[in-house]
Amino acid sequence: SQKIEQNSEALNIQEGKTATLTCNYTNYSPAYLQWYRQDPGRGPVFLLLIRENEKEKRKERLKVTFDTTLKQSLFHITASQPADSATYLCALDMDSSYKLIFGSGTRLLVRP
Amino acid sequence: DAGVIQSPRHEVTEMGQEVTLRCKPISGHNSLFWYRQTMMRGLELLIYFNNNVPIDDSGMPEDRFSAKMPNASFSTLKIQPSEPRDSAVYFCASSHPGLAPGANVLTFGAGSRLTVL
Repeated sequence: SQKIEQNSEALNIQEGKTATLTCNYTNYSPAYLQWYRQDPGRGPVFLLLIRENEKEKRKERLKVTFDTTLKQSLFHITASQPADSATYLCALDMDSSYKLIFGSGTRLLVRP
Repeated sequence: DAGVIQSPRHEVTEMGQEVTLRCKPISGHNSLFWYRQTMMRGLELLIYFNNNVPIDDSGMPEDRFSAKMPNASFSTLKIQPSEPRDSAVYFCASSHPGLAPGANVLTFGAGSRLTVL
Protein backbone atom coordinates (compact mmCIF):
# COMPACT_ATOMS: atom_id res chain seq x y z
CA SER A 1 0.00 0.00 0.00
CA GLN A 2 1.04 3.57 -0.51
CA LYS A 3 3.00 5.12 2.34
CA ILE A 4 3.93 8.71 2.89
CA GLU A 5 6.90 9.81 4.94
CA GLN A 6 7.35 13.27 6.34
CA ASN A 7 10.03 14.24 8.81
CA SER A 8 8.49 13.82 12.23
CA GLU A 9 11.08 16.07 13.81
CA ALA A 10 10.18 19.73 13.96
CA LEU A 11 12.04 22.10 11.68
CA ASN A 12 13.34 25.11 13.55
CA ILE A 13 14.62 28.03 11.46
CA GLN A 14 15.41 31.71 11.73
CA GLU A 15 13.05 34.31 10.32
CA GLY A 16 13.99 35.31 6.80
CA LYS A 17 15.51 31.94 5.89
CA THR A 18 14.02 29.43 3.48
CA ALA A 19 12.20 26.49 5.03
CA THR A 20 12.31 23.22 3.09
CA LEU A 21 10.02 20.36 3.99
CA THR A 22 10.18 16.89 2.47
CA CYS A 23 7.50 14.40 1.50
CA ASN A 24 8.55 10.94 0.32
CA TYR A 25 6.24 8.23 -0.87
CA THR A 26 6.53 4.57 -1.77
CA ASN A 27 5.05 2.49 -4.53
CA TYR A 28 3.20 4.13 -7.40
CA SER A 29 3.38 7.77 -8.31
CA PRO A 30 0.18 9.69 -7.63
CA ALA A 31 -1.56 11.74 -10.28
CA TYR A 32 -1.18 14.77 -8.06
CA LEU A 33 0.21 15.78 -4.71
CA GLN A 34 -1.11 18.42 -2.34
CA TRP A 35 0.24 20.41 0.57
CA TYR A 36 -1.88 21.59 3.48
CA ARG A 37 -1.18 23.76 6.49
CA GLN A 38 -2.61 22.95 9.90
CA ASP A 39 -2.60 25.27 12.90
CA PRO A 40 -3.26 24.00 16.45
CA GLY A 41 -6.94 23.40 17.09
CA ARG A 42 -7.89 23.88 13.43
CA GLY A 43 -8.49 21.80 10.36
CA PRO A 44 -5.94 21.53 7.55
CA VAL A 45 -6.03 24.30 4.96
CA PHE A 46 -5.16 23.66 1.32
CA LEU A 47 -2.08 25.47 0.02
CA LEU A 48 -0.88 24.03 -3.29
CA LEU A 49 -1.48 21.19 -5.71
CA ILE A 50 1.07 19.85 -8.19
CA ARG A 51 0.34 17.30 -10.90
CA GLU A 52 2.59 14.43 -11.95
CA ASN A 53 3.51 16.15 -15.21
CA GLU A 54 4.56 19.35 -13.43
CA LYS A 55 8.03 19.78 -12.01
CA GLU A 56 7.41 22.91 -10.00
CA LYS A 57 4.57 25.12 -8.78
CA ARG A 58 4.76 28.52 -7.13
CA LYS A 59 2.38 30.68 -5.14
CA GLU A 60 3.71 33.85 -3.59
CA ARG A 61 6.47 32.75 -1.16
CA LEU A 62 5.63 29.06 -1.56
CA LYS A 63 7.20 26.63 -4.00
CA VAL A 64 6.52 22.94 -4.49
CA THR A 65 8.55 20.50 -6.55
CA PHE A 66 7.58 17.00 -7.60
CA ASP A 67 10.17 14.41 -8.61
CA THR A 68 8.48 11.18 -9.68
CA THR A 69 11.86 9.47 -10.14
CA LEU A 70 12.90 10.12 -6.56
CA LYS A 71 9.28 9.74 -5.38
CA GLN A 72 9.62 12.96 -3.51
CA SER A 73 8.09 16.40 -3.16
CA LEU A 74 9.80 19.38 -1.60
CA PHE A 75 7.88 22.30 -0.12
CA HIS A 76 9.72 25.58 0.23
CA ILE A 77 8.76 28.75 2.07
CA THR A 78 11.07 31.62 1.19
CA ALA A 79 11.63 34.63 3.44
CA SER A 80 9.97 32.73 6.27
CA GLN A 81 8.05 34.58 8.96
CA PRO A 82 6.97 33.59 12.49
CA ALA A 83 3.40 33.49 11.13
CA ASP A 84 4.47 30.55 8.93
CA SER A 85 4.89 28.42 12.06
CA ALA A 86 2.47 25.50 11.72
CA THR A 87 2.32 21.84 10.78
CA TYR A 88 2.52 21.12 7.06
CA LEU A 89 0.92 17.98 5.63
CA CYS A 90 1.39 16.44 2.24
CA ALA A 91 -1.37 14.37 0.69
CA LEU A 92 -1.52 12.00 -2.27
CA ASP A 93 -4.41 10.57 -4.22
CA MET A 94 -4.97 6.85 -4.12
CA ASP A 95 -5.09 5.41 -7.61
CA SER A 96 -6.21 8.71 -9.09
CA SER A 97 -9.40 8.52 -7.08
CA TYR A 98 -11.18 10.66 -4.55
CA LYS A 99 -9.20 9.05 -1.74
CA LEU A 100 -6.52 11.33 -0.34
CA ILE A 101 -4.02 9.86 2.08
CA PHE A 102 -2.11 12.24 4.31
CA GLY A 103 1.36 12.19 5.72
CA SER A 104 1.79 12.71 9.44
CA GLY A 105 3.05 16.26 8.89
CA THR A 106 6.13 18.24 9.77
CA ARG A 107 5.99 20.99 12.33
CA LEU A 108 7.73 24.21 11.31
CA LEU A 109 8.84 26.77 13.87
CA VAL A 110 10.14 30.11 12.61
CA ARG A 111 12.06 32.08 15.24
CA PRO A 112 11.88 35.89 15.14
CA ASP B 1 -19.29 31.45 2.80
CA ALA B 2 -18.90 30.27 6.39
CA GLY B 3 -16.94 27.22 5.30
CA VAL B 4 -17.50 23.70 6.60
CA ILE B 5 -19.33 23.87 9.91
CA GLN B 6 -18.87 21.16 12.52
CA SER B 7 -20.50 20.67 15.89
CA PRO B 8 -19.84 20.17 18.68
CA ARG B 9 -16.29 21.53 18.83
CA HIS B 10 -15.61 19.57 21.98
CA GLU B 11 -17.34 16.53 23.41
CA VAL B 12 -16.48 14.70 26.60
CA THR B 13 -18.45 11.56 27.30
CA GLU B 14 -18.25 8.35 29.21
CA MET B 15 -17.54 4.96 27.74
CA GLY B 16 -20.66 3.32 26.43
CA GLN B 17 -22.48 6.52 25.59
CA GLU B 18 -23.67 7.44 22.12
CA VAL B 19 -21.88 10.28 20.37
CA THR B 20 -23.21 12.18 17.36
CA LEU B 21 -21.01 14.57 15.42
CA ARG B 22 -22.51 16.92 12.87
CA CYS B 23 -21.29 18.56 9.70
CA LYS B 24 -22.61 21.16 7.28
CA PRO B 25 -20.55 21.18 4.06
CA ILE B 26 -20.00 24.18 1.82
CA SER B 27 -23.00 24.87 -0.34
CA GLY B 28 -22.47 23.45 -3.83
CA HIS B 29 -19.82 20.96 -2.80
CA ASN B 30 -20.98 17.51 -3.80
CA SER B 31 -18.39 15.40 -1.99
CA LEU B 32 -18.14 14.99 1.77
CA PHE B 33 -15.50 13.21 3.80
CA TRP B 34 -15.12 12.25 7.45
CA TYR B 35 -11.55 11.96 8.74
CA ARG B 36 -10.17 11.10 12.16
CA GLN B 37 -6.87 12.51 13.46
CA THR B 38 -4.76 11.10 16.28
CA MET B 39 -1.14 11.56 17.20
CA MET B 40 -0.40 7.91 16.56
CA ARG B 41 -2.17 7.42 13.23
CA GLY B 42 -2.44 10.92 11.77
CA LEU B 43 -5.38 11.72 9.49
CA GLU B 44 -7.40 8.67 8.49
CA LEU B 45 -10.27 8.67 6.03
CA LEU B 46 -13.36 7.10 7.57
CA ILE B 47 -16.05 7.52 4.94
CA TYR B 48 -16.70 9.31 1.65
CA PHE B 49 -20.05 10.54 0.28
CA ASN B 50 -20.70 11.73 -3.25
CA ASN B 51 -24.01 13.43 -4.01
CA ASN B 52 -25.26 12.30 -0.57
CA VAL B 53 -24.56 8.63 -1.30
CA PRO B 54 -21.95 6.70 0.73
CA ILE B 55 -19.34 5.53 -1.75
CA ASP B 56 -16.62 4.13 0.45
CA ASP B 57 -16.90 3.31 4.14
CA SER B 58 -13.92 0.96 4.26
CA GLY B 59 -12.19 3.25 6.74
CA MET B 60 -14.92 3.01 9.34
CA PRO B 61 -13.24 1.16 12.22
CA GLU B 62 -16.10 -1.13 13.15
CA ASP B 63 -19.84 -1.47 13.39
CA ARG B 64 -19.98 0.96 16.28
CA PHE B 65 -19.41 3.72 13.72
CA SER B 66 -22.09 4.87 11.30
CA ALA B 67 -22.52 7.90 9.08
CA LYS B 68 -25.42 9.40 7.23
CA MET B 69 -26.00 12.19 4.79
CA PRO B 70 -29.75 12.76 4.50
CA ASN B 71 -29.36 15.81 2.26
CA ALA B 72 -26.71 17.91 0.56
CA SER B 73 -26.29 20.24 3.52
CA PHE B 74 -26.00 17.88 6.47
CA SER B 75 -24.11 14.81 7.60
CA THR B 76 -23.70 12.97 10.89
CA LEU B 77 -21.12 10.58 12.26
CA LYS B 78 -22.37 8.44 15.09
CA ILE B 79 -20.44 6.24 17.52
CA GLN B 80 -22.48 3.83 19.59
CA PRO B 81 -21.28 2.68 22.04
CA SER B 82 -18.23 4.89 22.42
CA GLU B 83 -14.93 3.60 23.79
CA PRO B 84 -11.83 5.41 25.12
CA ARG B 85 -9.86 4.44 22.00
CA ASP B 86 -12.31 6.51 19.94
CA SER B 87 -10.85 9.66 21.49
CA ALA B 88 -9.58 11.78 18.61
CA VAL B 89 -10.33 14.86 16.55
CA TYR B 90 -12.92 14.15 13.89
CA PHE B 91 -12.86 16.31 10.79
CA CYS B 92 -15.44 16.78 8.13
CA ALA B 93 -14.30 18.03 4.73
CA SER B 94 -16.06 18.85 1.49
CA SER B 95 -14.94 19.33 -2.08
CA HIS B 96 -16.20 20.14 -5.54
CA PRO B 97 -14.66 18.73 -8.74
CA GLY B 98 -14.56 22.16 -10.31
CA LEU B 99 -12.01 23.37 -7.77
CA ALA B 100 -9.25 21.40 -9.49
CA PRO B 101 -10.31 19.22 -12.44
CA GLY B 102 -9.26 15.60 -11.92
CA ALA B 103 -8.09 16.33 -8.40
CA ASN B 104 -9.73 16.42 -5.01
CA VAL B 105 -9.03 19.61 -3.05
CA LEU B 106 -10.54 19.47 0.42
CA THR B 107 -11.95 22.21 2.61
CA PHE B 108 -11.91 21.07 6.22
CA GLY B 109 -14.04 22.08 9.14
CA ALA B 110 -12.49 23.06 12.46
CA GLY B 111 -13.01 19.56 13.82
CA SER B 112 -14.78 17.97 16.77
CA ARG B 113 -12.49 16.93 19.60
CA LEU B 114 -13.91 13.82 21.24
CA THR B 115 -12.77 12.53 24.62
CA VAL B 116 -14.22 9.26 25.86
CA LEU B 117 -13.52 8.59 29.52
